[in-house]
Amino acid sequence: QSVLTQPPSASGTPGQRVTISCSGSSSNIGGNFVYWYQHLPGTAPKLLIHRNYQRPSGVPDRFSGSKSGTSASLAISGLRSEDEADYSCAAWDDTLSGYVFGTGTKVTVL
Amino acid sequence: QVKLQESGPGLVKPSETLSLSCAVSGYSISSGYYWAWIRQSPGKGLEWIGSIYHDGNTYFSPSLKSRLTISVDTSENQFSLKLRSVTAADTAVYYCARALYMEPPDYWGQGTLVTVSS
Repeated sequence: QSVLTQPPSASGTPGQRVTISCSGSSSNIGGNFVYWYQHLPGTAPKLLIHRNYQRPSGVPDRFSGSKSGTSASLAISGLRSEDEADYSCAAWDDTLSGYVFGTGTKVTVL
Repeated sequence: QVKLQESGPGLVKPSETLSLSCAVSGYSISSGYYWAWIRQSPGKGLEWIGSIYHDGNTYFSPSLKSRLTISVDTSENQFSLKLRSVTAADTAVYYCARALYMEPPDYWGQGTLVTVSS
């Protein structure tokens, strides 16, 4: 059951910048690291951002993460057709003593 | 590169036990990290199920804890999930993943669909 709230969809034309929000609470985003994933059906979710804004090796710098208070954002700049996918945020939750995930956002490249 | 691969039956009858395994390659489970199970029901977001450390220490989602067993086999470099008394609500794509304690996963398997139906 998703605890973190994301918009269900986002879209843009090639080259544009798209931003996805992730809203939580003090027990998760407010006090812990935020991770972001890209997910295509039938494939393993791919880590895009860890520890709020850090990119793993191999992730293009078109992807950037930020966090403020109990919310976080993922920005995709220079949108490309291959960016069309589902994106989810995640964080540790102190109340649950486990991970919580976002509701997921489907990005469409127009 | 770290790779995880889920395996197990794709169809389970109601009231029976769902059993899945996750084979890890490219990293020794005994070297550290927590090993997690996560699921995604149709049309819903991801849900954490539970996690295990190589020494057998576990922590579970409170909503599933009473039906759940997670175990690790360091000799085979794999870990397993058993969910008892399943219902249709347990139909989902089940993922295994690697994570640091108190941080979400970094590497995931591609997932396996388990349908609960008679």
